[in-house]
Amino acid sequence: GDSVTQMEGPVTLSEEAFLTINCTYTATGYPSLFWYVQYPGEGLQLLLKATKADDKGSNKGFEATYRKETTSFHLEKGSVQVSDSAVYFCALSEGGSYIPTFGRGTSLIVHP
Amino acid sequence: NAGVTQTPKFQVLKTGQSMTLQCAQDMNHNSMYWYRQDPGMGLRLIYYSASEGTTDKGEVPNGYNVSRLNKREFSLRLESAAPSQTSVYFCASSESGSEPYEQYFGPGTRLTVT
Repeated sequence: GDSVTQMEGPVTLSEEAFLTINCTYTATGYPSLFWYVQYPGEGLQLLLKATKADDKGSNKGFEATYRKETTSFHLEKGSVQVSDSAVYFCALSEGGSYIPTFGRGTSLIVHP
Repeated sequence: NAGVTQTPKFQVLKTGQSMTLQCAQDMNHNSMYWYRQDPGMGLRLIYYSASEGTTDKGEVPNGYNVSRLNKREFSLRLESAAPSQTSVYFCASSESGSEPYEQYFGPGTRLTVT
C-alpha cells in the first residue's frame, strides 16, 4: 500500500536559518503530493501541493519539488521565522481513492 | 465562508459516558472524514464518508460510530467513552472524483476521558 515517511523531529533552528524537511513516499500509481502545516492549537491547513512529476509547489516562502525518480517531496525554506514554528505533514493522494496517506509529522521549532 | 466547523472545542468525560462530536462544512464537498491525533502517532483515520449516504471504517473505528446526516454534516459518536479515547479529534472534508483533492480541516475537539 501507499506510505509516506518523514524525518523525525523536532527540528530546531535559529531565525533566518535554511530549512529542509525530508519526505519520501511509496505509491502504486501517480499520486498528488501535499504539505500541510498545523500551528499550535489549530487544525491542519494546506501549505502547498504538486500534482505531477517535476512540478514545484510554493507558498509563503516554502517550496517543494515532486521528484518521481527519487520518490521524494522535500520541503524547503530559505530563511525561517519564529512564526513558522509548527508541525508539518507530508501527504499523498491518488486519483480515485478517497483516503489520503499522511506522514507522522515533523515538528519545527524556530528560536529568535 | 466558515469552512469546516466542529463542536465542542473541549470536552471532559468520565469513563462510560457517551457524547457526539459535531462537524459541518459549507464548501459543498462530497467527502468527509474523522481523524484522531495522538502524540507520536500522527493522524489516524477513524471513519470516512465518500458521499452523502455512505460511511466506511478507517484505520481505528472500534469504539466509535458515525452518521452522515446530510451533505453538510458528519457526526462522530462515542457510546461508552474509555481513557484510551483521550485525544484530539479532527473533522475534514474534500472534493472527490478522479482527481486527488486536498483536505480541509476543522479546528479540532480536545477530548479527555477520566
